[in-house]
Formats: sequence, C-alpha cells, structure tokens
Amino acid sequence: QVQLVQSGAELKKPGSSVKVSCEASGGSFSSNAISWVRQAPGQGLEWMGAIIPIYGTPNYAQKFQGRVTIPTGESTSTVYMELSSLRSEDTAMYYCAREFSGTYENGFDIWGQGTMVTVSS
Amino acid sequence: SYELTQPPSVSVSPGQTASITCSGGKLRDKYVSWYQQRPGQSPVLVIYQDTKRPSGIPERISGSISGNTATLTISGTQAMDEADYYCQAWDRSTAVFGGGTKLTVV
Repeated sequence: QVQLVQSGAELKKPGSSVKVSCEASGGSFSSNAISWVRQAPGQGLEWMGAIIPIYGTPNYAQKFQGRVTIPTGESTSTVYMELSSLRSEDTAMYYCAREFSGTYENGFDIWGQGTMVTVSS
Repeated sequence: SYELTQPPSVSVSPGQTASITCSGGKLRDKYVSWYQQRPGQSPVLVIYQDTKRPSGIPERISGSISGNTATLTISGTQAMDEADYYCQAWDRSTAVFGGGTKLTVV
C-alpha cells in the first residue's frame, strides 16, 4: 500500500518561499493525481493545486495562481509544492493527497502526514 | 467560483443516527466524497462516488444524494465518530471542499 511521506516542518519569514515535498513510499504515483491541500489553524480544508506526475501539467486554484508552483519533471516518485511571497495568513498545515483515478473527478484516498509551515518574522 | 455548503455543527446522542448535508449547484452531476478528520490527524476518505465506502470503513457510515444535496449518514453513532467531516467535489478540474461540519456526540 502506497504511503505519502512529506518533508518536515518549516519556519519561514514573510516574503520568503517554502518548498514542501511528498514522496510515494512503498509504490509509485502511477497515473494518479497528487493534490496539495492546506488547513490553517482551526479552519477547513483548502485545495491549492494538483498534478498527474506522469503527464506533468499542473493545475492550480485561482486563489493561488502566480504564487504556487508544482514543478514538473523533477521525479516520478516525489511531488513538490512551492509557495512564494509568504505572509502570516499562509501559516497552515499543508497536505499532499492522492486522487485515485487520475481524472480530477474522484476523492482523495491517501493523504500525507502533513507539513506545518509557520510564517513569522 | 463553485461552493459547497455544510452546516457548521451537528449534535447526536450515542447510538442515534447523525446526518450531515452538503449542497451545491449541479451536485448531482459530480462525484461527492466525504472525509473524516479527527483532531491532529490527516483527513480520511469515508465515502467516494456519492455512496461507496473504501475498505475498512464501517457499514454504519453511508452516503446518499438527492438533487443537489448529498448526505453523510452515521448510524449507531459512537464516541469515536466525533470529528470534523468535509464533503468534496470537483468542478472544472478544481477540487472544492465544503466548510466542514463538527459532529459532536453528546
């Protein structure tokens, strides 16, 4: 059974960037889509973007257009998410999650453990 | 932008049935998924494609859809069911989550 293993917690200053990784442990991403979802303290889930690693074209939420990047071509077993121009409101737990059909139609059946990103001066 | 609406909170007595609704435009034309999130944990998929349960999810958790409203039903509610629940659907290759419902078992 594939597990998604994320990189560790980050403390960043306002205006800087953060890059979070998500590795498929015990398998590969195959043709699944990998999304990034964040959750601010005490708040709900917010989708940021997604990629199907073998195809490579990312898909971003309009809210994060221009600030979020899901790089393509870096690895077939690791997906990254980079968020730039960080502000205090970006303080949140960031999750990667697998959409099992790779069609952007279905649910997220596997989630990473989360990466806490704290933005503070 | 597309929106999914959930009640902020639902309370239920142990052993009773809890229902959490999720409404959105043309929801009937999309697949609805539901997630359970306990404090300090990652979300867990409990329902996908409106009514299907992943392996390991108990039969007392079920999903249904009528018109533009999806419903998550938990029968014989137990203390362990106390959690936040989120519905989710895709709209034009964008994933959308409902605001979440806190289920309290009292």
